[in-house]
Amino acid sequence: DGGITQSPKYLFRKEGQNVTLSCEQNLNHDAMYWYRQDPGQGLRLIYYSQIVNDFQKGDIAEGYSVSREKKESFPLTVTSAQKNPTAFYLCASNWAAVGNQPQHFGDGTRLSIL
Amino acid sequence: AQKITQTQPGMFVQEKEAVTLDCTYDTSDPSYGLFWYKQPSSGEMIFLIYQGSYDQQNATEGRYSLNFQKARKSANLVISASQLGDSAMYFCAMREGHNTDKLIFGTGTRLQVFP
Repeated sequence: DGGITQSPKYLFRKEGQNVTLSCEQNLNHDAMYWYRQDPGQGLRLIYYSQIVNDFQKGDIAEGYSVSREKKESFPLTVTSAQKNPTAFYLCASNWAAVGNQPQHFGDGTRLSIL
Repeated sequence: AQKITQTQPGMFVQEKEAVTLDCTYDTSDPSYGLFWYKQPSSGEMIFLIYQGSYDQQNATEGRYSLNFQKARKSANLVISASQLGDSAMYFCAMREGHNTDKLIFGTGTRLQVFP
């Protein structure tokens, strides 16, 4: 079955540590996205990529980094510069520049500080 | 300025009744798209329905329909014949312009369906 796989489901970060969240899709989608969701809030865009080896900052990119070396993979690194990383992180994908195509989401990763 | 506004933090509805979840948006671009997603307590986001700004008809998908009032800039989701499994968070989102895939999300409405 095609879909988006995020791992791990739960992640704990120590102070000063970088952690990487995995996102893999087998839908052959061009575009991929990372969102952050805080309790009782909507989703805020961190980074997005419409093509391999290219990505753009979203609204809250500070303290995060990404790479897009393969079409199916878009890992997100939460760096030690992100002072408040506790949140629910969602990865999404769709075909780029096809207006009525919805973004498909993974099941998310919950990140907490130890 | 907030582009997507969902003014109902929580809604209750009895099973088998219909419910309307409100969404208003703000954009100056004539080309845009509106999406509704459902987020159960497990966390995944499930796409429900889409309405394009140039679509003449209101979108429908099974028990979901979209009450699109362009002049009022509203895109309310109507769920008919509510089921217990409809209990979840519901998010309205907008894609602004035709050259972007970026979505802007509202803060969501928590719907609880009771027997």
